[in-house]
Amino acid sequence: DTAVSQTPKYLVTQMGNDKSIKCEQNLGHDTMYWYKQDSKKFLKIMFSYNNKELIINETVPNRFSPKSPDKAHLNLHINSLELGDSAVYFCASSPGQGNSYEQYFGPGTRLTVT
Amino acid sequence: QQQVKQSPQSLIVQKGGISIINCAYENTAFDYFPWYQQFPGKGPALLIAIRPDVSEKKEGRFTISFNKSAKQFSLHIMDSQPGDSATYFCAAPLGFKTIFGAGTRLFVKA
Repeated sequence: DTAVSQTPKYLVTQMGNDKSIKCEQNLGHDTMYWYKQDSKKFLKIMFSYNNKELIINETVPNRFSPKSPDKAHLNLHINSLELGDSAVYFCASSPGQGNSYEQYFGPGTRLTVT
Repeated sequence: QQQVKQSPQSLIVQKGGISIINCAYENTAFDYFPWYQQFPGKGPALLIAIRPDVSEKKEGRFTISFNKSAKQFSLHIMDSQPGDSATYFCAAPLGFKTIFGAGTRLFVKA
């Protein structure tokens, strides 16, 4: 069974479009995250949710809107896509504060904006 | 700004050699120091982690050494194998936020 799953794995779209990435975890964790990994492999946190509540928003443009319908799901919607949004987006989960060092990552979604 | 500085950026090691990756941190409030391993096309995976009240932790061929006074921790991979070729990230969690180092691309030559 896949612990943290993301769909789609690849996303190719044009500038100005709107797209969504879905994430689900079956680990029973309280906390979920979205990370962006750029071409240089730098991994940067975007959002952190705990029990469906937004805890961290790391100065991400308003075009990015996360939504957590329940503890097991965290989706990411991106409006008006720009070239600079091209990256790999990872969803992750952890048991919660105190165990946030122990994160389980999904396989990633490679977003290419043309 | 809280930072975790990782070095080197890339590393080439002969099979059977020792790979050493270093990290330095600034914030003394971090309460765990994990290392993650990422293979191409995959998400990072937790490799090993250490608490700041322990100076060394070993799991198989992987060892974390922690120097609290110097605010540094390092990953040692003994008997490095081609299958260890990956990108390694040090990290430091603070509450619900984990700060990752810039990553080290390790290549183990057969």
